[in-house]
Amino acid sequence: AQKITQTQPGMFVQEKEAVTLDCTYDTSDPSYGLFWYKQPSSGEMIFLIYQGSYDQQNATEGRYSLNFQKARKSANLVISASQLGDSAMYFCAMRDPYAYSGAGSYQLTFGKGTKLSVIP
Amino acid sequence: DGGITQSPKYLFRKEGQNVTLSCEQNLNHDAMYWYRQDPGQGLRLIYYSQIVNDFQKGDIAEGYSVSREKKESFPLTVTSAQKNPTAFYLCASANRDRVNTEAFFGQGTRLTVV
Repeated sequence: AQKITQTQPGMFVQEKEAVTLDCTYDTSDPSYGLFWYKQPSSGEMIFLIYQGSYDQQNATEGRYSLNFQKARKSANLVISASQLGDSAMYFCAMRDPYAYSGAGSYQLTFGKGTKLSVIP
Repeated sequence: DGGITQSPKYLFRKEGQNVTLSCEQNLNHDAMYWYRQDPGQGLRLIYYSQIVNDFQKGDIAEGYSVSREKKESFPLTVTSAQKNPTAFYLCASANRDRVNTEAFFGQGTRLTVV
C-alpha cells in the first residue's frame, strides 16, 4: 500500500498568490515525522519544513507552512506569496518506525511529487 | 562549508560494466542513504547505513552494492546485474536515524547506459 500520496501531478499558480500542495499519508504508528522537500530542475533536494506527529501547532518556515490534519492523515504544504523561483518539484515524505520492520530504522518514504509552475 | 558531495554529476556506462558513484559528507552524520529517482517518480531507497561497516538493503537493492569503510563516505556500485540502471541517483545523510531528523541531499548523479 502506498504510504505517501500526492494527488496533484502538476499545479499552476500566479506569482504572488498562495498555493496548497496536497499530501496524505498512511501509518499505524503514533510517532512519525512528515517532511517537505523542493527539487529544482538542477536535481538537488532541498529540505523545506518538518512536522512531528505530536506537535500541537502547524509548522511554519518563512513563506512555507504545513496544514497538518492528523485525524485525516493529511499534511498539505502552503506556499504564500509565490515567486518565480518556487517553480520546482515538491515531495512530501514521512519517517515512521514501521518503514522497514525488523531493521530498527526510520526511513524516509517519498510521494511521487507535484510539479509546481509559477506564472508571471 | 559542510555538505554532501556526489561525483560525478553525469556518468555513462556501457552494457555489462560496473560503475561506482561517489558520496562524501563532512557533516559528521552517522546515517547515509542512496536513493534512485526515475522520471515522474518519487525517490526509492536502495541502501542505507547507520554506522561504519554496517549497511542494510532498501526497497530496490538488487543489482547494487555499497560499502561504508569511513563515516564520511558511502560509495554505490551499480553492477552489470542491474538491468535498468539509467536513472538519477541521490545520496543523503542524516545526523541520526530518527523519526524527527531531516535528511540532507547531494546534488545527484545522472547515470545513462549507452
